[in-house]
Amino acid sequence: EAGVAQSPRYKIIEKRQSVAFWCNPISGHATLYWYQQILGQGPKLLIQFQNNGVVDDSQLPKDRFSAERLKGVDSTLKIQPAKLEDSAVYLCASSFGQGYNSPLHFGNGTRLTVT
Amino acid sequence: KQEVTQIPAALSVPEGENLVLNCSFTDSAIYNLQWFRQDPGKGLTSLLLIQSSQREQTSGRLNASLDKSSGRSTLYIAASQPGDSATYLCAVKGGSEKLVFGKGTKLTVNP
Repeated sequence: EAGVAQSPRYKIIEKRQSVAFWCNPISGHATLYWYQQILGQGPKLLIQFQNNGVVDDSQLPKDRFSAERLKGVDSTLKIQPAKLEDSAVYLCASSFGQGYNSPLHFGNGTRLTVT
Repeated sequence: KQEVTQIPAALSVPEGENLVLNCSFTDSAIYNLQWFRQDPGKGLTSLLLIQSSQREQTSGRLNASLDKSSGRSTLYIAASQPGDSATYLCAVKGGSEKLVFGKGTKLTVNP
């Protein structure tokens, strides 16, 4: 089974520029997550989708971050404008369902550096 | 608010040693606890998932235990190998269904 695909793998931008990340989950997985992992920290949930609806975006900085999951399959996460503190690895994950014991499968992430 | 703590932050052991990684969480009302492995520049790989009704799970040389009442979990790695070198993350899922992660333990197994 193909894993969670993410692109690009690396991105370097200047502050105040915009950037977008793409994620394609495992086929058949209804739930999709975006996590932010700052160096030395554990991942922090930014947004969770169930099909194409948002389940939780309480930790998403909505003034600069946006995400969408059209047609309930792949998803994009956008930052506009970027700040220095947005430098992190952005991880996408998917799970079969929203059930409590449905394990998460992670992609390799996109490493963002904001200069 | 759920908080997850992992001790130690880093651990270096010689090959062949048995070792224990620790994870503690503040809110015992959890649905499950997962242990993940993260290699440099990679995403997370799920190692073991323990449901709240379970006490332990085993996979090969890995054994994870859960004591929900005390808010603790341990990951036991038997006969460690250099290939086990990675960062190990613990995460708990609670009522909000949000997975809350610890900061991880960076393990180095020396040949």
